[in-house]
Amino acid sequence: GQQVMQIPQYQHVQEGEDFTTYCNSSTTLSNIQWYKQRPGGHPVFLIQLVKSGEVKKQKRLTFQFGEAKKNSSLHITATQTTDVGTYFCAGPQGGKLIFGQGTELSVKP
Amino acid sequence: DTAVSQTPKYLVTQMGNDKSIKCEQNLGHDTMYWYKQDSKKFLKIMFSYNNKELIINETVPNRFSPKSPDKAHLNLHINSLELGDSAVYFCASSQAASGRIYEQYFGPGTRLTVT
Repeated sequence: GQQVMQIPQYQHVQEGEDFTTYCNSSTTLSNIQWYKQRPGGHPVFLIQLVKSGEVKKQKRLTFQFGEAKKNSSLHITATQTTDVGTYFCAGPQGGKLIFGQGTELSVKP
Repeated sequence: DTAVSQTPKYLVTQMGNDKSIKCEQNLGHDTMYWYKQDSKKFLKIMFSYNNKELIINETVPNRFSPKSPDKAHLNLHINSLELGDSAVYFCASSQAASGRIYEQYFGPGTRLTVT
């Protein structure tokens, strides 16, 4: 079955540094979604990418969908303590979302 | 107003007991889900209902029985609880899934601890 892999599993950064998490699928995806889960919270939808090579920005967050639609990345510029949490990518398969393992981001003030 | 709500938020129980978790959404969505998140934060779908009909049933032990009395509610009953059932259970909802997976809205989660 389809697998969605995310790296790194953990990332510790100093506030103000940049952060990137990468997502790779074993199969071509029709779209990819990104979610953020704060510590003790629940996953919250951030964005969906659909087109090959698509790039979308949300303030300091930049999301990319690969040309082959098998990989994606989330880049945060100048991290802040409010960025702390686990970031998940998720791809659809067979009517359900397959989530990556998540990247847990911690930010040292 | 809370979009997707779950009760209880915390559930501590002993092995062998039976327990239920309730979920309600007021978003008007047709599709609802149950996810299990283990201690390593891995999110795995358990069940999906579309307009009260079960459409996804992953390889979940039959001790887990979901029920959807109407499209705004999806409950999860667990029989004969085991230690390995300890996890956070999330309910989620989305627009109807007819070949497309829409963004999902998650409830606050129920942290189940089996002792």
